[in-house]
Amino acid sequence: EVQLMESGGGLVQPGGSLRLSCGASGFAFRSHWMTWVRQGPGKGLEWVANIKEDGSEENYVDSVRGRFTISRDNSKNSVYLQMNSLSVDDTAIYYCARVRRHYDVLTGYSTHFDFWGQGTLVTVSS
Amino acid sequence: DIQMTQSPSSVSASVGDKVTVTCRASQNINDYVNWYQQKPGKVPKLVIYAGSNLQSGVPSRFRGSGSGTEFTLTISSVQPEDFATYFCQEGHKTWAFGQGTRVDIK
Repeated sequence: EVQLMESGGGLVQPGGSLRLSCGASGFAFRSHWMTWVRQGPGKGLEWVANIKEDGSEENYVDSVRGRFTISRDNSKNSVYLQMNSLSVDDTAIYYCARVRRHYDVLTGYSTHFDFWGQGTLVTVSS
Repeated sequence: DIQMTQSPSSVSASVGDKVTVTCRASQNINDYVNWYQQKPGKVPKLVIYAGSNLQSGVPSRFRGSGSGTEFTLTISSVQPEDFATYFCQEGHKTWAFGQGTRVDIK
């Protein structure tokens, strides 16, 4: 059974830092891209970052680029999100999810997020 | 950047009704659209991937269609467990989500 478990959320002051962790089990972790998605209170979903299977490629949404860093440790089946220079706009539930690739002979590769963790709440407030 | 715009923002339906949710991309994204269902206080759940592929375990009353810039999620006969918010997502370059469409009971 695929399981993802986030941790590390909490209350932090504006300008502060926080490191989120996501432990994975039940699948070949090193064979999947992984991603972080967040959801502000009463808001929709926002993709935050993703990381390639071997950690050699990372992508970020513009609003966090330069402040957040995604990383992974395949020996620990874990993915991380280091968040620096936090602002109130970063207040959200942060979900980690497994990325699955789909190949179509006509259109090539696409990706989707097939398993999600329960999320961890990050609150940025003074 | 690719923008994903859903319509309507909410729709009311009775059990058994057909429900259609539309998602428009700001540029051609082939069939790189996914759909997720989220119930209040719950984790998002994948429903449709790559435009029209039904995720394992999802009932066949859910159907995804479209390509290019316009995509549709159709629930052929909405059931009580389907009342939720649905999000489309671009699945190739930006992974951007639409703003969501709430499907509630009339």
